Amino acid sequence: KAGVTQTPRYLIKTRGQQVTLSCSPISGHRSVSWYQQTPGQGLQFLFEYFSETQRNKGNFPGRFSGRQFSNSRSEMNVSTLELGDSALYLCASKFEAGNTGELFFGEGSRLTVL
Amino acid sequence: AQTVTQSQPEMSVQEAETVTLSCTYDTSESDYYLFWYKQPPSRQMILVIRQEAYKQQNATENRFSVNFQKAAKSFSLKISDSQLGDAAMYFCAYRSALRGTASKLTFGTGTRLQVTL
Repeated sequence: KAGVTQTPRYLIKTRGQQVTLSCSPISGHRSVSWYQQTPGQGLQFLFEYFSETQRNKGNFPGRFSGRQFSNSRSEMNVSTLELGDSALYLCASKFEAGNTGELFFGEGSRLTVL
Repeated sequence: AQTVTQSQPEMSVQEAETVTLSCTYDTSESDYYLFWYKQPPSRQMILVIRQEAYKQQNATENRFSVNFQKAAKSFSLKISDSQLGDAAMYFCAYRSALRGTASKLTFGTGTRLQVTL
C-alpha cells in the first residue's frame, strides 16, 4: 500500500509569488491534514479536510488556503509569499474524520522563499 | 488551549543502553490521546507509540514504552536497547478525544536523540 505522497519535495520561490503543494493520501483515507514545520515555531496545524470540506483551521493568515478533491487528494496554496513562509510542509492522512484513527505522514515539501 | 513541553532539546545514548525522553503537557480536558512521533533525517514523521488518557496501563511497543502520569500531566518515552536507527528527532504530541473536535495534533518542540557506538 502506497504511503502519503507529497509533491514537489523541494521548491524555491521568491517573495510575492504564490505556491501550490500537493498531497495524495493513502488509498481509502478521506481525511487530510496539513502542518507547517519551522525551526522557530515548530510544528503547527494548518487545516484539515474531510470529504472535500474544511473541518478545522489553525491560526494562519488567509494567505494560506487549501482544498480537497473528490479523490481525497489535497492541495494547499500560499499566496504572496513571505520569507517567514520558508518551512517544511507536512501532509498527513487518516481514514476517519475527527479525533479517532492514526495519522500517517508524508515526507513533506520543503519550501524556501528568497 | 493545550500545550506540550519537551525540556530536553538533545539527548545522547550509547547503543544497547536505555534512554528516557521527557514530555509534559497542559490541558483542561479529561479525555485525550498522547503520542510520540519519530522524525528521522528523511523527514517523515513515524508514530512510535500512543496512549489513551482513560487507560491507566502504560503503552508498550517492543523496545518503546511510556510512563504516563495523568495527574502530573507527564508522558515520558523510554527506549530500551537503543539502536543506531533510533537516532532521530522525537516529538511528543497531544490530541483531544472530545467528540466533534478535529484531528489536530499539538506538538512539543522535539528532542534530538543521538545514538553512539
